[in-house]
Amino acid sequence: DSGVTQTPKHLITATGQRVTLRCSPRSGDLSVYWYQQSLDQGLQFLIQYYNGEERAKGNILERFSAQQFPDLHSELNLSSLELGDSALYFCASSVVPGKGYNEQFFGPGTRLTVL
Amino acid sequence: TQLLEQSPQFLSIQEGENLTVYCNSSSVFSSLQWYRQEPGEGPVLLVTVVTGGEVKKLKRLTFQFGDARKDSSLHITAAQTGDTGLYLCAGAFQGAQKLVFGQGTRLTINP
Repeated sequence: DSGVTQTPKHLITATGQRVTLRCSPRSGDLSVYWYQQSLDQGLQFLIQYYNGEERAKGNILERFSAQQFPDLHSELNLSSLELGDSALYFCASSVVPGKGYNEQFFGPGTRLTVL
Repeated sequence: TQLLEQSPQFLSIQEGENLTVYCNSSSVFSSLQWYRQEPGEGPVLLVTVVTGGEVKKLKRLTFQFGDARKDSSLHITAAQTGDTGLYLCAGAFQGAQKLVFGQGTRLTINP
């Protein structure tokens, strides 16, 4: 158990809908990262938040957005869903970015299926 | 663009054999991590290497960081069926706030 929690575990929805994925980082970790992993694909970095502020952006679509709240949990919002958005979505957390090395601890993921 | 290439992409061997997985880049890493992922679960951090030439051992797994910090290898001795999984390398580049992941090596150990 990494200490990172994600809900829900599974999510099935229809095209055009909007969903929210939730992540709670490890106790003490200030930084949260979101990744997308499609079938047989590697991990694609989406976005990073540090202590409530956006710190880095990757290949995140405009239909997707995220935020980190004062209690440090984070939410990833996916809207106007398409079939191709079906994937595993992972959240990871780390202590402090830029400390020399960036060890990230991953949650169990949310499997999103868009029908 | 900072890219990590892992090889091989797929590897299937018999229990008891040895194997090596490689992770290469044209860029210099400030640090590199190896993760193992099982189906439907999140990646689990195995090791972090930081210094060029560094070697770390985790039971039957040996991790090496290249002298120039552009490449790394993972060697497994006497593989066991429990080693089956997706092995991912991830590099951090100086000043970057994110990790760049390789595509992974899908390892299958057959009994």
